[in-house]
Amino acid sequence: QSVLTQPPSASGTPGQRVTISCSRSSSNIGNNYIYWYQHLPGTAPELLIYGNNQRPSGVPDRFSGSKSGTSASLAISGLRSEDEADYYCAVWDDSLSGWVFGGGTKLTVL
Amino acid sequence: QVQLVQSGSELKRPGASVKVSCEASGYTFTHYGMNWVRQAPGQGLEWMGWINTNTGNPTYAQDFTGRFVFSLDTSVSTAYLQISSLQAEDTAVYYCARLLTVTTAYYYMDVWGKGTTVTVSS
Repeated sequence: QSVLTQPPSASGTPGQRVTISCSRSSSNIGNNYIYWYQHLPGTAPELLIYGNNQRPSGVPDRFSGSKSGTSASLAISGLRSEDEADYYCAVWDDSLSGWVFGGGTKLTVL
Repeated sequence: QVQLVQSGSELKRPGASVKVSCEASGYTFTHYGMNWVRQAPGQGLEWMGWINTNTGNPTYAQDFTGRFVFSLDTSVSTAYLQISSLQAEDTAVYYCARLLTVTTAYYYMDVWGKGTTVTVSS
């Protein structure tokens, strides 16, 4: 069982704002940064958010990340059909000395 | 631009070995580490470990010791993942992902390859 828990699915209509949660179940990740990746099957996963809330250049500002306590969230505003993908959160686990991914959230744009 | 180009799909028999390559371009290969991540059918992403491209030192996640080997050929900016004694459970898509190091305590995977599908079947 991953130390990061995500809802298996989420959905929204075009133009809507959706949020995907990522909850930490272990104290071994402490205050480590959360990262978010977008993954369309058959393509390379893309970094959406680093350092909890920073966007790499080229990522639209419709995507935003936040963290509070033991939870983090990815928000997507102005939802578009091309946002339909799997979204993963990730964190460095100090006790494992390795990266841990959440189980992934499949986002459907209705 | 920064790119990681992975080798093509592989179909292997149980007990065989496979070597997946990941060729980097658009940056200095030895300045960034390389991670390997697995995605089994219908499953999420699973970190396998990483290799320091400057020293060649590999680090394996707990579930990926023994049959999994990370290696490099820095002359062609390429990282390799070799899996021996393949089992049906090794059927998955394998991704390489560059490790961007901001500081010694702040680093993350920023650019990924498109993945290599390895199918193990008799």
